Amino acid sequence: GENVEQHPSTLSVQEGDSAVIKCTYSDSASNYFPWYKQELGKRPQLIIDIRSNVGEKKDQRIAVTLNKTAKHFSLHITETQPEDSAVYFCAASKGGANSKLTFGKGITLSVRP
Amino acid sequence: DADVTQTPRNRITKTGKRIMLECSQTKGHDRMYWYRQDPGLGLRLIYYSFDVKDINKGEISDGYSVSRQAQAKFSLSLESAIPNQTALYFCATSDLTGGGYEQYFGPGTRLTVT
Repeated sequence: GENVEQHPSTLSVQEGDSAVIKCTYSDSASNYFPWYKQELGKRPQLIIDIRSNVGEKKDQRIAVTLNKTAKHFSLHITETQPEDSAVYFCAASKGGANSKLTFGKGITLSVRP
Repeated sequence: DADVTQTPRNRITKTGKRIMLECSQTKGHDRMYWYRQDPGLGLRLIYYSFDVKDINKGEISDGYSVSRQAQAKFSLSLESAIPNQTALYFCATSDLTGGGYEQYFGPGTRLTVT
């Protein structure tokens, strides 16, 4: 089955700096890659996703890039703010009618004021 | 607002007890999922259901069972709880209408088995 790995497991950045979180996946048939954010004590929520027919997608301060050849995708957060501090999960799916998500282990991002 | 709810939110139980966690949704979604979250292990899929008559095992189904009582309800049971089932449990829903794959999570149930 699919295996999704996230590195590093923790990341600390200064407020205003950029943060990059990387994920790799194993199944070349995967074609849908979402990122979920989980604030402390809250439920995970989708923040951005990308499909395999697109190389990059942006939404204000966040962007996701996909390299299908290398089987990795990254979340980019610019101008980080304290409210960006959270656990971020990447996931992969083959999409389609029988799709289910395989999540990475998560990375804890801390934004230092 | 349409939402996903879970009951109970917190539960402490003893080893060997049977326990049921319940999930309800008002989103009208066909697909429902149960995950457990452990520190450092991320979200792992226990069971999932694509409609009322469909139940599928996830990657860690041993020791768990589920029941899809209606489109809106999906329950997770631990027949004989053990301490390593102590975790945060999330229910989630999704709907393929319009081609979307987003999963909507409930608030979670924190289960402690002593």
